[in-house]
Amino acid sequence: DAKTTQPTSMDCAEGRAANLPCNHSTISGNEYVYWYRQIHSQGPQYIIHGLKNNETNEMASLIITEDRKSSTLILPHATLRDTAVYYCIVRVKAAGNKLTFGGGTRVLVKP
Amino acid sequence: GAVVSQHPSWVICKSGTSVKIECRSLDFQATTMFWYRQFPKQSLMLMATSNEGSKATYEQGVEKDKFLINHASLTLSTLTVTSAHPEDSSFYICSARGTGESYEQYFGPGTRLTVT
Repeated sequence: DAKTTQPTSMDCAEGRAANLPCNHSTISGNEYVYWYRQIHSQGPQYIIHGLKNNETNEMASLIITEDRKSSTLILPHATLRDTAVYYCIVRVKAAGNKLTFGGGTRVLVKP
Repeated sequence: GAVVSQHPSWVICKSGTSVKIECRSLDFQATTMFWYRQFPKQSLMLMATSNEGSKATYEQGVEKDKFLINHASLTLSTLTVTSAHPEDSSFYICSARGTGESYEQYFGPGTRLTVT
């Protein structure tokens, strides 16, 4: 399985952009990168996903490096409600497209 | 967006009893549903994958006779924790994936089980 590596935690200032890195050096060519977040005591919330190209939606932007070995999730204007654990996941087709969660990054947005 | 519900949101039961948790996809048909378990301050751990009309596939180390999964329709899956023990106390989260090209997986709000 392609595994991901994320910082354990990070703080960011309210109103500023939050850049969350993720390494996935063993990713294969047809495997997608997914980002979810989990606010305390809730189910994970889908944020965004991508394969090769950068992606943007109303929640965030996803920047994937050309070699696909790492990516960055960008929250353009962090709010206090963005405080959560953010999970970067590689969806492995060979494993039935299951989403396997790692430790994630605990993001604390401070006023 | 796609909505997945779970019922109940929390439940307390006595040791030795069984508890059933329901997971429903409200606005889409879910050919595949997943059940996860999450202990405090830990990440989600996949327990099993179920496809509508088929037997569930359990992850290594998960007892299939203890955690009974039924996925009888495209919108409903149930997880029954049989003969519950205090160590089964956890946050159980289901997830549903629809049909078609999109493989987005949507998660329910979770069910907190406390076994006394």
